[in-house]
Amino acid sequence: GENVEQHPSTLSVQEGDSAVIKCTYSDSASNYFPWYKQELGKGPQLIIDIRSNVGEKKDQRIAVTLNKTAKHFSLHITETQPEDSAVYFCAAPNQAGTALIFGKGTTLSVSS
Amino acid sequence: DGGITQSPKYLFRKEGQNVTLSCEQNLNHDAMYWYRQDPGQGLRLIYYSQIVNDFQKGDIAEGYSVSREKKESFPLTVTSAQKNPTAFYLCASSTAKDTQYFGPGTRLTVL
Repeated sequence: GENVEQHPSTLSVQEGDSAVIKCTYSDSASNYFPWYKQELGKGPQLIIDIRSNVGEKKDQRIAVTLNKTAKHFSLHITETQPEDSAVYFCAAPNQAGTALIFGKGTTLSVSS
Repeated sequence: DGGITQSPKYLFRKEGQNVTLSCEQNLNHDAMYWYRQDPGQGLRLIYYSQIVNDFQKGDIAEGYSVSREKKESFPLTVTSAQKNPTAFYLCASSTAKDTQYFGPGTRLTVL
């Protein structure tokens, strides 16, 4: 069935370190992979996304990589700051292409 | 300001009551979605609508109902048939079948 697996569930880093969150998906036809950041008590905010025609996309300290052969994609945050602390979700389209399936989230804690 | 609004922010329900959560968007998006979020869990799809007067069940539609009479509005009713309704409810909208933008959420608590 359709599934998006996300690891790790929690991640603690020191300020200035890098953080990497990985997701795998099951539907090889998936072609769009967004990442969301959710702060406590708020709705998720889109931070970056990638489509299947590219292998990597970067936006300042955030980058996403995609390996279609292995069916996994990763979020990379460099030079982490305390304000990066939040829950991060990956997602991929369902088989019908009508909605997104979300991973279970990664709680990132950046300590100063 | 353009965006998605949800109201109320907090909602309390007595057992056996139906309650309706509001979601409005002024982004001119065709598609709208309702998700449920439980502590430590991802987002699970309740209902979605790709066009006015049409909607489809998601993965956990039982105990919920929706309507889509206007493009801007997609209210969700949590009925008494939903046995465990306490959760954080998120509404989203999109122009196509991928990029979704979320509202601020409604926290529902059953007393």
